[in-house]
Amino acid sequence: EIVMTQSPATLSVSPGERATLSCRASQSVGSNLAWYHQKPGQAPRLLIYAASTRATGIPARFSGSGSGTEFTLTISSLQSEDFAVYYCQQYHNWPTETFGQGTKVEI
Amino acid sequence: QLQLQESGPGLVKPSETLSLTCTVSGGSISTSRYYWGWIRQPPGKGLEWIGSIYSSGSTSGSTYYNPSLKSRVTISVDTSKNHFSLKLNSVTAADTAVYYCARRDPGMDVWGQGTTVTVSS
Repeated sequence: EIVMTQSPATLSVSPGERATLSCRASQSVGSNLAWYHQKPGQAPRLLIYAASTRATGIPARFSGSGSGTEFTLTISSLQSEDFAVYYCQQYHNWPTETFGQGTKVEI
Repeated sequence: QLQLQESGPGLVKPSETLSLTCTVSGGSISTSRYYWGWIRQPPGKGLEWIGSIYSSGSTSGSTYYNPSLKSRVTISVDTSKNHFSLKLNSVTAADTAVYYCARRDPGMDVWGQGTTVTVSS
């Protein structure tokens, strides 16, 4: 099983600041990685797939990078609606998929 | 616009079978070349992929499960009703969670709102 490890567990930032979230895979997943965010009481929302491709309707302030085992999600200028929990997910090892444990972005 | 909606009992007794259905609207589950999946989230915890099913063409019905749950999980599809279903047997309190269904594109791009299932006597 591929284990996904996210860091930090909690990231404290101010609106307008840049946020950088990390996701590490226990073995190479190529570019088969997605990022989601989840607000309280809501379903997750897909932000990025294929490591760096924004999903439909996702603002340009969200960007993903990396390949292999190291990945980064960057939010260039945090808006109030961006405070949420962020998850990475590998789908390289299809047909099994695994999520990271999440990073909470808070004020 | 594609929408997914989970339905099923919110309370299940220990050792019994949890049964949920995900109804797809705004598109046909049988003509779309997508996988459809179930994901769950225990209270205060992260996301866990349960399994997925393919619903188009000659390989319709092909299923894939999380190895940690494989012995207890069955996912099926009913194309005539445009829905797919989850059965999880021999449940315990550890199966208490919000259960989501989603479309895999890859990346889960469309999600249901989720349904809370509590395992308790």
